[in-house]
Amino acid sequence: AQSVTQLGSHVSVSEGALVLLRCNYSSSVPPYLFWYVQYPNQGLQLLLKYTSAATLVKGINGFEAEFKKSETSFHLTKPSAHMSDAAEYFCAVSSPNFNKFYFGSGTKLNVKP
Amino acid sequence: DADVTQTPRNRITKTGKRIMLECSQTKGHDRMYWYRQDPGLGLRLIYYSFDVKDINKGEISDGYSVSRQAQAKFSLSLESAIPNQTALYFCATSDAGTGGQETQYFGPGTRLLVL
Repeated sequence: AQSVTQLGSHVSVSEGALVLLRCNYSSSVPPYLFWYVQYPNQGLQLLLKYTSAATLVKGINGFEAEFKKSETSFHLTKPSAHMSDAAEYFCAVSSPNFNKFYFGSGTKLNVKP
Repeated sequence: DADVTQTPRNRITKTGKRIMLECSQTKGHDRMYWYRQDPGLGLRLIYYSFDVKDINKGEISDGYSVSRQAQAKFSLSLESAIPNQTALYFCATSDAGTGGQETQYFGPGTRLLVL
C-alpha cells in the first residue's frame, strides 16, 4: 500500500526566508516521489521528481527535495521565498509497477512581504 | 499544460442531471486519469485507463462512469449529479509505458457546481 502525508495544510513565510514543506510517504516497494505546484485557478505543474537516481533532486524555480529512505521523507525546500511562490503544493507517490499516483492533501504556501 | 485540454472549464448543473466532462490530449500517451480535488483532501483518483480497451476504477468511482473513445480522448460522466459531486475535476496523462518515468501531466481543470 502507498500513501502520502503532508504535515501542515498552511505554511506562511516571509519573502526571502527559507521554505520547507514536509512530505512523508509510505510504500511497500521503492517509490517514485513527486512534488507538484498548483497556482490559483490552474492545473498541477510538475516541480520535481525522484525516480531512484540522485537522492537530492533539483526542480524548477529554485526548489529542491531530498529523498531520505531512513526517514521515509521527501521534503521540499527553497532557500529564499519569492512572492510568486505563493501556491498550493502537493506531494505524490507512485512506484514503477504500481501505475497509480497517490497525492497528499496539499500545503498552501503564503509568502508575506 | 496546453497539451491536455478539458471542456468545459466551468459547469453549473442541477441535481439529477447527466453531464459529461471531456478530456483530450496531444501528448501521445496511452495512460489517462480522472481526479477530483476537494479542499483539504488533495486529489482523489476516480478512474484510469491504460489504453483504449482498458478501464479501471479508482478510489471513488461510485456515481461516475468513463469512456475512452480514442487514445487521445477520455470522458467522465456523472449519470445523475448530486451536490456532493461539486468539485474541481482534473484529467491527466502519463508517459509511463512510452519510455517515460511515470510523470503525470494535468489539464487545467473543470470546476463543477451541482445545485
